[in-house]
Amino acid sequence: GQNIDQPTEMTATEGAIVQINCTYQTSGFNGLFWYQQHAGEAPTFLSYNVLDGLEEKGRFSSFLSRSKGYSYLLLKELQMKDSASYLCAVLDSNYQLIWGAGTKLIIKP
Amino acid sequence: GAVVSQHPSWVICKSGTSVKIECRSLDFQATTMFWYRQFPKQSLMLMATSNEGSKATYEQGVEKDKFLINHASLTLSTLTVTSAHPEDSSFYICSARDLSSGSDIYEQYFGPGTRLTVT
Repeated sequence: GQNIDQPTEMTATEGAIVQINCTYQTSGFNGLFWYQQHAGEAPTFLSYNVLDGLEEKGRFSSFLSRSKGYSYLLLKELQMKDSASYLCAVLDSNYQLIWGAGTKLIIKP
Repeated sequence: GAVVSQHPSWVICKSGTSVKIECRSLDFQATTMFWYRQFPKQSLMLMATSNEGSKATYEQGVEKDKFLINHASLTLSTLTVTSAHPEDSSFYICSARDLSSGSDIYEQYFGPGTRLTVT
């Protein structure tokens, strides 16, 4: 079956750095997405990786290793507004998005 | 950027009635739209994939006669929850792909969601 694993919840301090990991086992791979979702709102796009390596976009970076079935989202200089759920999703061989359960990130002052 | 709207943003209905939710792509044509359901503290659950001009493809366990999907145009898809029950209360989110730009990313643009409460 298809499976995406990410931690359920993480806590970090304002101004610090946090890394959210995601491992996947899917039928085929056409890219991996990270989305941010605030409570009661729809997800918003953060990043997309299809090749191995690190993609940097401002305070957020995303890394992919296809051979290991592994990705992480790195958030730097954490702000209180970064408190949200972070969803990892893989585009499978049918171009269907397979979603992880999400990681709730709690930022403390 | 691509914008997707949903209407209504929230709705309360009585058990046994039907509710229609609209999903519109405002500045692009969406040949494919997706309908998701999300229960509190859970991840998104894909209900169905809606292709313009054809029947929707439902995920396993989703009753197609209960959740009617119509994708009549390139900018509009509707989800009708028929004979709603309290257990149908959830956050319903649509998304759409914009392939017209030639992007290979297959990014999905999400609507703001509709919170349905069935009493």
